[in-house]
This record gives sequence, C-alpha cells and structure tokens, in this order.
Amino acid sequence: SAVISQKPSRDICQRGTSLTIQCQVDSQVTMMFWYRQQPGQSLTLIATANQGSEATYESGFVIDKFPISRPNLTFSTLTVSNMSPEDSSIYLCSVEDLLAGAPGFFGPGTRLTVL
Amino acid sequence: SQKIEQNSEALNIQEGKTATLTCNYTNYSPAYLQWYRQDPGRGPVFLLLIRENEKEKRKERLKVTFDTTLKQSLFHITASQPADSATYLCALGKGSQGNLIFGKGTKLSVKP
Repeated sequence: SAVISQKPSRDICQRGTSLTIQCQVDSQVTMMFWYRQQPGQSLTLIATANQGSEATYESGFVIDKFPISRPNLTFSTLTVSNMSPEDSSIYLCSVEDLLAGAPGFFGPGTRLTVL
Repeated sequence: SQKIEQNSEALNIQEGKTATLTCNYTNYSPAYLQWYRQDPGRGPVFLLLIRENEKEKRKERLKVTFDTTLKQSLFHITASQPADSATYLCALGKGSQGNLIFGKGTKLSVKP
C-alpha cells in the first residue's frame, strides 16, 4: 500500500493570505486527488491532479482559488489562496489503490484554521 | 442530486457485540462502494471495497453487504472491541477518477 505524507500537518493563517500544502507519495502514481473535509461535513473532492496536465476541478472549485501543481509522479501541492474563515477545514490528498482499481489511500491531512 | 446517508451520527455498543452500520444512497448508480475508518485528527483509512456485482465481502472481523436494489450497504464489525471506536465513512464511486461521494460518517463507540 502507498504511504502518503502531507506538510504542514496543521496551520493557523490570517485572512487574505495563502497556504501551500504538500503531498508526497512513496511510489509513483498516475492520479492524485485533493479533498476537503469541513467541520461536521463529509469529504468533498476538490480536484484531480495528473502529472503533465492541468488539474481537473469539481463543481464549485476553481483554479484561481485552489491552484494545484503536479511536477512529478510522487508529489503534488494544493494552494488555498486569499483565505477566509470559510476555508477552515482539513485538506487531504489521496491516491488510487491499484489493486482495488479505485481511490483508496489518504494522507494524514492538513488542518487549516483561518482567523 | 445524488445523496448518501449513514444511518446515525453515533452508535454505542457493548464490547463483544456486533456493530452494524448502514449506508443508503439515492440518485446514483455506483460501480463500487467503499468503507473507511477515520480516527480524530487523521485521514481516512481504507477498509473494504465492494463492487456492484458483489453481494458480500469479508475481511477478518469485518463484513460488508451491498444491495443495489435497495441502494444500501451494511457494514458489520463482529466481536467488537474498544479499539474499534472511530468514525466510519462510506463512499460511492464509479471509476478510478477519484470522484468519490462520501457520507458524513457514523461515530462508533464500543464500551468495555
């Protein structure tokens, strides 16, 4: 199974600033996924990041607010831009479980609080 | 729009009993359904995947059933232990594209 690490594990940020979250996987993966889990809510997919192409965003999420980079097959970043308190959430990256043929492995998450 | 519901926000049971969690969905035809465990402050941990053509799947003390007619999955933990206490999430998917739809989860507490 894949091992995923995220940095930072948590942060407290001021309104209007931006934070970049890093996701590192210990094996090469084709697709990486970014999710958000707001307090008391279910996980929601933000975007899918493929190496060498633009990220695909889900409805309600835009590139200007959540720019994503995918420079290689083991690494991705998600930036939360011009933050507001509504962006306070846990942000998680995920990769596909090749044996299951479906998304399966999640990172530990980044807990973001915006003041 | 598609909707996924887990039967209760919280479930309290006695150690040794079988915990049964329910996941219902509407307006969706998933190719598979997944169950995850999530501990406080941590990311979800994948437990089981069951496909639309499968009725039941087992893994150690875990059993999952999938009824596409009822649009329901049941998740059982037999001989439950206090260490099983966590939030359990169900998620629906159609492919490997990552667009899983998650329920809000059921918080299971197993009392000694």
